[in-house]
Amino acid sequence: DVKVTQSSRYLVKRTGEKVFLECVQDMDHENMFWYRQDPGLGLRLIYFSYDVKMKEKGDIPEGYSVSREKKERFSLILESASTNQTSMYLCASSPGTSGRFYNEQFFGPGTRLTVL
Amino acid sequence: KNEVEQSPQNLTAQEGEFITINCSYSVGISALHWLQQHPGGGIVSLFMLSSGKKKHGRLIATINIQEKHSSLHITASHPRDSAVYICAVPMMRNTDKLIFGTGTRLQVFP
Repeated sequence: DVKVTQSSRYLVKRTGEKVFLECVQDMDHENMFWYRQDPGLGLRLIYFSYDVKMKEKGDIPEGYSVSREKKERFSLILESASTNQTSMYLCASSPGTSGRFYNEQFFGPGTRLTVL
Repeated sequence: KNEVEQSPQNLTAQEGEFITINCSYSVGISALHWLQQHPGGGIVSLFMLSSGKKKHGRLIATINIQEKHSSLHITASHPRDSAVYICAVPMMRNTDKLIFGTGTRLQVFP
């Protein structure tokens, strides 16, 4: 079974702090995703990575950056946390197209971040 | 207007009832993903389908490609089915990026 893990389930930070959220997958997947989930808005894509050191902005990249130095690990960085970044953050991975037109995504357990 | 719309947004049911959640989409390629999210956050994949019908236990998913509509049915519902159900559509061919609906919150009471 694919396993996607996230470094913390709950995190409380102060405004202005630098925050790192880590995601690790163990199935050699090409693609990794970071989402945030807010009530009434559903899941929104922050950043997407399709290979080591490769990244694409999603729908809401402002205030975030990402790092993918190894295939299995995808980090989300909040350079200076703000209260409007209080949210649930979900990481996901997928195999990559590999000849199929679409592959399902596998999700981590989520990190609920509160910025005070 | 959302590109992926779910209805209803909230649903309550008594244990044993038959439940239907609907998803309509206006974008994306002709495939659809049903996901389940329990309280606490983790999301699990239920179905990925591009035609017809799929069944897993008490869950049945159908899709009508021409009408761009899918339904998720739960037969003999149980309190453990209480969760948020999310449909998602791939943005385009040869990418795994998804467009998500806002979810349907289901509560099943004993």
